[in-house]
Amino acid sequence: GAVVSQHPSWVICKSGTSVKIECRSLDFQATTMFWYRQFPKQSLMLMATSNEGSKATYEQGVEKDKFLINHASLTLSTLTVTSAHPEDSSFYICSTRSNTEAFFGQGTRLTVV
Amino acid sequence: GESVGLHLPTLSVQEGDNSIINCAYSNSASDYFIWYKQESGKGPQFIIDIRSNMDKRQGQRVTVLLNKTVKHLSLQIAATQPGDSAVYFCAENPGFGDGTTLTVKP
Repeated sequence: GAVVSQHPSWVICKSGTSVKIECRSLDFQATTMFWYRQFPKQSLMLMATSNEGSKATYEQGVEKDKFLINHASLTLSTLTVTSAHPEDSSFYICSTRSNTEAFFGQGTRLTVV
Repeated sequence: GESVGLHLPTLSVQEGDNSIINCAYSNSASDYFIWYKQESGKGPQFIIDIRSNMDKRQGQRVTVLLNKTVKHLSLQIAATQPGDSAVYFCAENPGFGDGTTLTVKP
């Protein structure tokens, strides 16, 4: 079964509202969680790396105040898109790794209207 | 930053043929590479990985080749099936290349 469970799989929200995406690791201690964004027909772009119990490290150009990441436990990491705008519409994916393999969530399709 | 990229954006093969997907990387210090498959609307799926101390690694119907001299990776899929149709990415921890879309014609 899936090691990483990501919810919701899709969400539609109004411009200006906030959306929270959850990634839960199942039977696995996710010390590190990677958050990606993917636009249509493009590759995954790393947004940030979060480590359990500490602040996330954001990639250049990613606004940390807009994309809030919380990794308070070894089994749960969340990404909150604050004050969402249509340009934030994208496919968001979380990922964690073991020594031998990487595991991805199912992805969240966010549409901001 | 360092980049990992793919040579060709699309590849079309006949069912039963072998497929070869190529990938170039720029960081000569990279020591771990992963190939992923992504079907439409889904998250990436791990296929196979290889460490820099290896030149070749085989899985079920897939083989990854690493040429450190020219900083090149390839993924070979044997007897390609329609279910193999997807976008394939090579990745160097944790960044992703641009992806190659593989289409398998019946």
